[in-house]
Amino acid sequence: SQTIHQWPATLVQPVGSPLSLECTVEGTSNPNLYWYRQAAGRGLQLLFYSVGIGQISSEVPQNLSASRPQDRQFILSSKKLLLSDSGFYLCAWSDFQGPRSGNTIYFGEGSWLTVV
Amino acid sequence: SQKIEQNSEALNIQEGKTATLTCNYTNYSPAYLQWYRQDPGRGPVFLLLIRENEKEKRKERLKVTFDTTLKQSLFHITASQPADSATYLCALLTSGTYKYIFGTGTRLKVLA
Repeated sequence: SQTIHQWPATLVQPVGSPLSLECTVEGTSNPNLYWYRQAAGRGLQLLFYSVGIGQISSEVPQNLSASRPQDRQFILSSKKLLLSDSGFYLCAWSDFQGPRSGNTIYFGEGSWLTVV
Repeated sequence: SQKIEQNSEALNIQEGKTATLTCNYTNYSPAYLQWYRQDPGRGPVFLLLIRENEKEKRKERLKVTFDTTLKQSLFHITASQPADSATYLCALLTSGTYKYIFGTGTRLKVLA
């Protein structure tokens, strides 16, 4: 069966420090990968998605970046964190086959980031 | 611009009653719509999917309707229980892309 792992689960970082969140998926190949952010009490905001190695689509201009160095690995990074980067970050994957397939999206357990 | 709205931010109901949550969308022509449940501090979990040619879908105590004319989906939980308390999110896959867009969610609380 497929599993998704995301780490670290919690981190507190000072303003201006770098960030690296990692996500790996097991049990599938060539998944579509996603990073979402959820601010406290808010909805899910799509940050990045990837349909293949090295293919990254950015949804929101910001000081975050994403990379996909391997088929089932997705990394979210920042060189200098801002206070506004605080939130709950969720990695997700799907086996999307086409617009009519109806495949669902599966989420990791999330990473709580507090920028102080 | 494309938008998904869930009308109620929070909904409190008595145990045993039916909870009805609403999802409206604009400027989309989705092939299907999905509903997810999110517990505090956890990632959303898939519940139900309904396709554009389906008017209604059921799964145990859950029922989803989809009206592409009104651009609306309704999500019902019958015989609600305190364990149903959670945030419920609707989601669409934007046409021609791989992007799943989520509504802001409705926080349901079932009172014992």
